[in-house]
Amino acid sequence: KAGVTQTPRYLIKTRGQQVTLSCSPISGHRSVSWYQQTPGQGLQFLFEYFSETQRNKGNFPGRFSGRQFSNSRSEMNVSTLELGDSALYLCASSPGTISYEQYFGPGTRLTVT
Amino acid sequence: QKEVEQNSGPLSVPEGAIASLNCTYSDRGSQSFFWYRQYSGKSPELIMSIYSNGDKEDGRFTAQLNKASQYVSLLIRDSQPSDSATYLCAARGGGATNKLIFGTGTLLAVQP
Repeated sequence: KAGVTQTPRYLIKTRGQQVTLSCSPISGHRSVSWYQQTPGQGLQFLFEYFSETQRNKGNFPGRFSGRQFSNSRSEMNVSTLELGDSALYLCASSPGTISYEQYFGPGTRLTVT
Repeated sequence: QKEVEQNSGPLSVPEGAIASLNCTYSDRGSQSFFWYRQYSGKSPELIMSIYSNGDKEDGRFTAQLNKASQYVSLLIRDSQPSDSATYLCAARGGGATNKLIFGTGTLLAVQP
């Protein structure tokens, strides 16, 4: 079974631009969660989706948004990029939302200049 | 206040020894706990999950959970240089959510 895929793997953007990251979960998995990883803050939860509905959201500004499609693929968008948004963005896939393990994709490395 | 605490290390052990990694959490509502291994430049890889008090063994790995003490640990037996990585402890609260709260990770170095 194929794992979680994320595209693109690397991205360089300029301050003020916006970016869209994509995540395809493991086949059959309906839950997708997004995390931001930085050296200073570690791994922080952004939001999670299940069956196209956002079930939970972390403490990030409204510039960070996401959505999930009917095929469980998910996208996250960051508008008006700031230097501090430079991070590894990770997507995690799970079959459901109760007592299930989560599996991470390879991540998207975003650099904001 | 950080909700999941880990010693950042580095924890250095000789090859073949037992590595002991510890984690405490503050939310008594946390129901599930996970250990992830992250090599430098890579994404986290799930190595153990534990939901009930006691021990859970999988190969060279043993996870231990004590909900009364709000304590989770991971033991790695017969440590190998390939085990050198950052180990992340994560807790999930109760209810229908997959939100994980991660510790900052412990860097393990296994010396040949």
